[in-house]
Amino acid sequence: KQEVTQIPAALSVPEGENLVLNCSFTDSAIYNLQWFRQDPGKGLTSLLLIQSSQREQTSGRLNASLDKSSGRSTLYIAASQPGDSATYLCAVLIQGAQKLVFGQGTRLTINP
Amino acid sequence: SAVISQKPSRDICQRGTSLTIQCQVDSQVTMMFWYRQQPGQSLTLIATANQGSEATYESGFVIDKFPISRPNLTFSTLTVSNMSPEDSSIYLCSVMGQGGSYEQYFGPGTRLTVT
Repeated sequence: KQEVTQIPAALSVPEGENLVLNCSFTDSAIYNLQWFRQDPGKGLTSLLLIQSSQREQTSGRLNASLDKSSGRSTLYIAASQPGDSATYLCAVLIQGAQKLVFGQGTRLTINP
Repeated sequence: SAVISQKPSRDICQRGTSLTIQCQVDSQVTMMFWYRQQPGQSLTLIATANQGSEATYESGFVIDKFPISRPNLTFSTLTVSNMSPEDSSIYLCSVMGQGGSYEQYFGPGTRLTVT
């Protein structure tokens, strides 16, 4: 059974810092990995998608990496801003099942 | 990407009643899903909504409790039946993009409180 873990559960940093969020998964038989952002009480916004054959993806100040063999992904946020405050979720798409399995999320707070 | 809308955005319901949540997509999609997010928890897949056939439910979810309709490729409904306070959650509709990347997009969610 695929399990996804995110560390840390919560993170609070001052504005301007670079930071890394971690995601690990137990079964490397994945099709892709997605990072999402969720604001309180809202739906999910897709940030980055990494296919299983890729090593990283970048969008603006965000960079996500994937090491499928070790079951790890990181989301790097550069020059953090208060508007980045949200919960960040990673999810893996199980091969053959088209089913997303989510981690518990990292609640990020950027202090002005 | 796909633009997804849900109705209602939130509701407060009494125990024992039922609520139907609607999901509308701005383009035709093959795969539609319903997720539940209980307070303070991550997302759990309830079922895959299949167009023209019965939904495919995940372990722990049954059709009598969560009947799903999918009359066409842009619309689906999820009903939460005979509600109890434990059903208080955010319910989210999602779709899989058609571009072959299998990227998933989510609606804004329906926040349900059962009293």
